[in-house]
Amino acid sequence: QMQLVQSGAGVKKPGASVKVSCKASGHTFSYTFTGHYMHWVRQAPGQGLEWVGCINPNSGGTDYAQRFQGRVTMTRDTSISTVYMELSGLRSDDTAIYYCAREIRDSSSGNDAFDIWGQGTMVTVSS
Amino acid sequence: DIQMTQSPSTLSASVGDRVTITCRASQSISNGLAWYQQKPGKAPKLLIYDASTLESGVPSRFSGSGSGTEFILTISSLLPDDFATYYCQQYKSFHTFGGGTKVEIQ
Repeated sequence: QMQLVQSGAGVKKPGASVKVSCKASGHTFSYTFTGHYMHWVRQAPGQGLEWVGCINPNSGGTDYAQRFQGRVTMTRDTSISTVYMELSGLRSDDTAIYYCAREIRDSSSGNDAFDIWGQGTMVTVSS
Repeated sequence: DIQMTQSPSTLSASVGDRVTITCRASQSISNGLAWYQQKPGKAPKLLIYDASTLESGVPSRFSGSGSGTEFILTISSLLPDDFATYYCQQYKSFHTFGGGTKVEIQ
């Protein structure tokens, strides 16, 4: 059963950066890491879901939500089937659970539903 | 940006009830809509994609309908395991989630 395993929780000071990893494991024979766009979604405590952006693991191309432009960077390491999300200039309202999620269909353009989610990484921003 | 408006925000229901949740898009998204279920402390779980396609392994009491700007998630007969929060998501143009509907026990 393919799953996404994320790095652990962390506490950061305002103005700092955080880098969260998301590793695909338990691959089936038919799954290729580079075939499915990977997305990042966050959820502030007691709030709804907010899309942060996505990465094409094949090309490394990215799309970010406008409100995170200039502060977020998504990268990947295909040799270890891992994607990363780095958020800089942290503020208290960046306190949230950050999820990675895989697009359901391979070769999609970044516009598809998410069928597999990581367990989430709690990022707390506090002085 | 496409806005997604979900209603109601909270729904009180009993086991066995038929439940409907509505999601409206600020502009046409064709059938680029998914529904997710989320339980406390857990990641969202995909239920429906392409507005009406049931994800593998999801019980058939869940169904989705609609296209364009108005979409409905229906649970035909509520089970105890279905008390959770439900979100719609448009993926026609980038991604936007609805505000969520909490289905609670009446």
